[in-house]
Amino acid sequence: IQMTQSPSSLSASVGDRVTITCQASQDISTYLNWYQQKPGKAPKLLISDASNLETGVPSRFSGSGSGTDFTFTISSLQPEDIATYYCQQFDTLFTFGPGTKVDFK
Amino acid sequence: QVRLQESGPGLVKPSETLSLTCIVSGGSISNYYGSWIRQSPGKGLEWIGYIYYTGSTIYNPSLQSRAIISVDTSKKQFFLRLTSLTAADTAVYYCARLRRHISSWTFDPWGQGTLVTVSS
Repeated sequence: IQMTQSPSSLSASVGDRVTITCQASQDISTYLNWYQQKPGKAPKLLISDASNLETGVPSRFSGSGSGTDFTFTISSLQPEDIATYYCQQFDTLFTFGPGTKVDFK
Repeated sequence: QVRLQESGPGLVKPSETLSLTCIVSGGSISNYYGSWIRQSPGKGLEWIGYIYYTGSTIYNPSLQSRAIISVDTSKKQFFLRLTSLTAADTAVYYCARLRRHISSWTFDPWGQGTLVTVSS
């Protein structure tokens, strides 16, 4: 299963709403996770099963979607949110999207 | 809380075999799935394979012929061997717990990663 993400990068201001899309090459139901990776660090799980926020993750992060189309949203961008975000499917083995780099405008 | 840490050589020659160790601390390895993932500039994040604490394994078909994952439950460690290395295997290698909950699978937590460079 191939995963695509758009955009590949984006620039936004503090307080902006940020939306990232992820598309699977076939129906994966809600078998999708989202990770955040800051420079020089390992990825960190934010959202599982397309929309379940992990314990301790701020509520400004959210996810939605099913089938082949998914959305990840940061409702109000904070300075600590500058990172690259990856989607990952677990319907058939495991595949990651290419990532979306979020930085400040 | 569970923590993972990778160890291994930073530099390996082409055609040689890479051996990495992941040390698990802060929790039991029973009912544990351990996984290896790598990240290179050219290919992004690539899942290599996973092992259950019983020793059963599943691999990425693209690496299945070259990757071997094993576990030593007494030492709370799991291992990756990757043979016939080329420059394309240059990457940061991560170990991660593969957490299974009903029908959900997540990689959480991850080790800090170890950079492996394949060069003569």
